[in-house]
Amino acid sequence: DGGITQSPKYLFRKEGQNVTLSCEQNLNHDAMYWYRQDPGQGLRLIYYSQIVNDFQKGDIAEGYSVSREKKESFPLTVTSAQKNPTAFYLCASSSTGGIAYEQYFGPGTRLTVT
Amino acid sequence: AQTVTQSQPEMSVQEAETVTLSCTYDTSENNYYLFWYKQPPSRQMILVIRQEAYKQQNATENRFSVNFQKAAKSFSLKISDSQLGDTAMYFCAFPPGGSYIPTFGRGTSLIVHP
Repeated sequence: DGGITQSPKYLFRKEGQNVTLSCEQNLNHDAMYWYRQDPGQGLRLIYYSQIVNDFQKGDIAEGYSVSREKKESFPLTVTSAQKNPTAFYLCASSSTGGIAYEQYFGPGTRLTVT
Repeated sequence: AQTVTQSQPEMSVQEAETVTLSCTYDTSENNYYLFWYKQPPSRQMILVIRQEAYKQQNATENRFSVNFQKAAKSFSLKISDSQLGDTAMYFCAFPPGGSYIPTFGRGTSLIVHP
């Protein structure tokens, strides 16, 4: 089945540690995205990538980094510079042509930093 | 500046009744797409319905339909014959300025009561 996988579902880290969230898709989509979701805030865009080896900052990129070495993979690293990293993180993908650019989402990762 | 506004943070409805969730947006474009996404308690985000601004006919998907008022920049979601499984957060999304990257509203939490 085609889709997006994120792992792990729950992640716990100590303050000051970097942590990497995994996102893999087999939908053959060119574009991939990372969103952060906080209560009452909706989805806020962290980073996006339209093509392999290229990515752009979203609205809240500070304290985060990404890579796009393969079309299928778009990992997100939450660095110790992110002041408030505890949140729910969603990965998504979409085509960049054709109809409507509907986004397909992974199941999300809940990150808790203490 | 926020381009997508959902003015109802929470709503509730009795099973089998009809409920309408509101969304307004801002754009100077003439043709664009609008989306409603559903995020149930499992947090897996899925597309509910999309509307192309070029089409005058309101989109319909089974019990879900939209009331698209282009001049008013309004895009409401009507859920008919509400079911318990409709309990979820609903997000309106709109790619501004010809972009393929959507801006999401802050969401409406819908609870369907038995």
